[in-house]
Amino acid sequence: AQSVTQLGSHVSVSEGALVLLRCNYSSSVPPYLFWYVQYPNQGLQLLLKYTTGATLVKGINGFEAEFKKSETSFHLTKPSAHMSDAAEYFCAVRSNTGTASKLTFGTGTRLQVTL
Amino acid sequence: GAGVSQSPSNKVTEKGKDVELRCDPISGHTALYWYRQSLGQGLEFLIYFQGNSAPDKSGLPSDRFSAERTGGSVSTLTIQRTQQEDSAVYLCASSKWTGPNAFFGQGTRLTVV
Repeated sequence: AQSVTQLGSHVSVSEGALVLLRCNYSSSVPPYLFWYVQYPNQGLQLLLKYTTGATLVKGINGFEAEFKKSETSFHLTKPSAHMSDAAEYFCAVRSNTGTASKLTFGTGTRLQVTL
Repeated sequence: GAGVSQSPSNKVTEKGKDVELRCDPISGHTALYWYRQSLGQGLEFLIYFQGNSAPDKSGLPSDRFSAERTGGSVSTLTIQRTQQEDSAVYLCASSKWTGPNAFFGQGTRLTVV
């Protein structure tokens, strides 16, 4: 069984400030981990993913995340927030078994960016 | 196609009617997933297809919900005798069988009145 916990359903930061969105996961098998972003009335867009190898992964729009197995975490960060980053962010996990399987999502974090 | 295509983008239906939602995955993607996104419920997994078979349909909330996939491509999610609690955005995603990335469509917003 797998699960994802996203701490904070709403996060507000000032433009130019650090963005930190928290994600912890539970998985009985090695995981693949993902961050997706959803803009209003849009589908989900993949920001970045961890599969194997380097634990610090970089994604689009200046975001990055670090896989920490000991902490079962995959927190998303961006050094400097931009107004266009305002959206809902979802962390997701799926099994790393080499073949397709369902994604299990967290409940999402809505990021607000203020001037 | 270039991306996952879902139709219709919006659907308003009367309580008790049946609805069909369509998903056209990315060409060559053998895995297809349906999710439901509703306020307060987050993203719920409904069903997953590998080719035309559904090895995991554990998320279908009731027997009013069914899905099929033909030719290893297009999938249809059918909701019979719709209820107001079925109102949600239904998202479809597809992936390669051995690839980790799932690509999502824009969703179908279903409103049951």
